[in-house]
Amino acid sequence: QKEVEQNSGPLSVPEGAIASLNCTYSDRGSQSFFWYRQYSGKSPELIMSIYSNGDKEDGRFTAQLNKASQYVSLLIRDSQPSDSATYLCAVPPFTGRRALTFGSGTRLQVQP
Amino acid sequence: GAVVSQHPSWVICKSGTSVKIECRSLDFQATTMFWYRQFPKQSLMLMATSNEGSKATYEQGVEKDKFLINHASLTLSTLTVTSAHPEDSSFYICSASRQGSSEQYFGPGTRLTVT
Repeated sequence: QKEVEQNSGPLSVPEGAIASLNCTYSDRGSQSFFWYRQYSGKSPELIMSIYSNGDKEDGRFTAQLNKASQYVSLLIRDSQPSDSATYLCAVPPFTGRRALTFGSGTRLQVQP
Repeated sequence: GAVVSQHPSWVICKSGTSVKIECRSLDFQATTMFWYRQFPKQSLMLMATSNEGSKATYEQGVEKDKFLINHASLTLSTLTVTSAHPEDSSFYICSASRQGSSEQYFGPGTRLTVT
């Protein structure tokens, strides 16, 4: 089982719709979770972090965490073509490591 | 904020030469920096973890003698690609973390082309 799993997509949504991006992780001890956005040809950008069960909202973005189900999601409301990118889920370092463990990313396409 | 810069943003070099890439944390002290490589349409691949004042920890399969990492201060880490070959052409990205934090902030990346 991969440590962090994401559907590679592409996930295609019409402009103005809600995009839902999902991520599951294997380490039950993980305490913090991150969502990064990566535009084609650019480096990743941290857009959300979440530490507690439930929802965390920031503008059009909502991160949802369910530790019991080992599941974290990112909702993008009123999706815009400029949201088209690859979204990477990341969890804290596993024992003996310092780097975040990244999923392979979900490519989102917002159709105008 | 948490700003990380990289220099150069792109570089073209001839096969057999060496290239140095700098990664700087501009507004915070980074006890740990990370170096990644990304080929087109592929996932980020962690190359090494760089700790200030100590030797870097390389991931399995990454040649430490080819990819030299130096983290001489709390704001600067360098990656030197030695004896570069065309297969080393890639997008090299660094990231940095504050002490005690898991959050990683990425630099803008360096696109290396070896001819």
